[in-house]
Amino acid sequence: QVQLVESGGGVVQPGRSLRLSCVASGFTFSDYAMHWVRQAPGKGLEWMAVISYGGGNKYYADSVKGRFTISRDNSKNTLYLQMNSLRPEDTAVYYCAREAVGPTTTTYFDYWGQGTLVTVSS
Amino acid sequence: SYELTQPPSVSVSPGQTASITCSGDKLGDKYVCWYQQKPGQSPMLVIYQDKKRPSGIPERFSGSNSGNTATLTLSGTQAMDEADYYCQAWDGSTTVVFGGGTKLTVL
Repeated sequence: QVQLVESGGGVVQPGRSLRLSCVASGFTFSDYAMHWVRQAPGKGLEWMAVISYGGGNKYYADSVKGRFTISRDNSKNTLYLQMNSLRPEDTAVYYCAREAVGPTTTTYFDYWGQGTLVTVSS
Repeated sequence: SYELTQPPSVSVSPGQTASITCSGDKLGDKYVCWYQQKPGQSPMLVIYQDKKRPSGIPERFSGSNSGNTATLTLSGTQAMDEADYYCQAWDGSTTVVFGGGTKLTVL
């Protein structure tokens, strides 16, 4: 069965960096675009970034553009999110999500990981 | 940037029909999906491409999308349906957009 397992969260001081990982199993990872979505405590979902199945195309939300970098290693079935210059408002649970295969006129997520909590605090 | 608006909360009695709306400019021209999220859990897809149900999602979940509004309808709402619900669309270029979420309370 499809599984997405995030790791790498923790407590980090403002201005520091953190790298999240998401290990995929149960499907051919290299066939799917992958996303990061976050959820601040008690708040709604916020899309962060997407990477194409081959890694050649990447797009970001304005709130993290220039600070966060999405990448993937298809040989390791792993998705990454490098987060630099972290701010208190980046505190959230970070989910990786698989983009479903469908019409090119839509993007949605058919599988989500369990999330990893990032807390940015001094 | 594109925005989706949902009511913060909706209440329904068990066995009744609950409707959760999601509004956006010309939203009917886009595909909308819906996620259910229960406390402490990850979101789960319940409707995609406006009205399709993933395998395992009960028939009481249905969706529609026209004009500026998409609607998630739960017929014969059960206590287990109490959760937060999020609509989501794609802005047509590179950005995924979520609605702010609606807390469904089954009284």
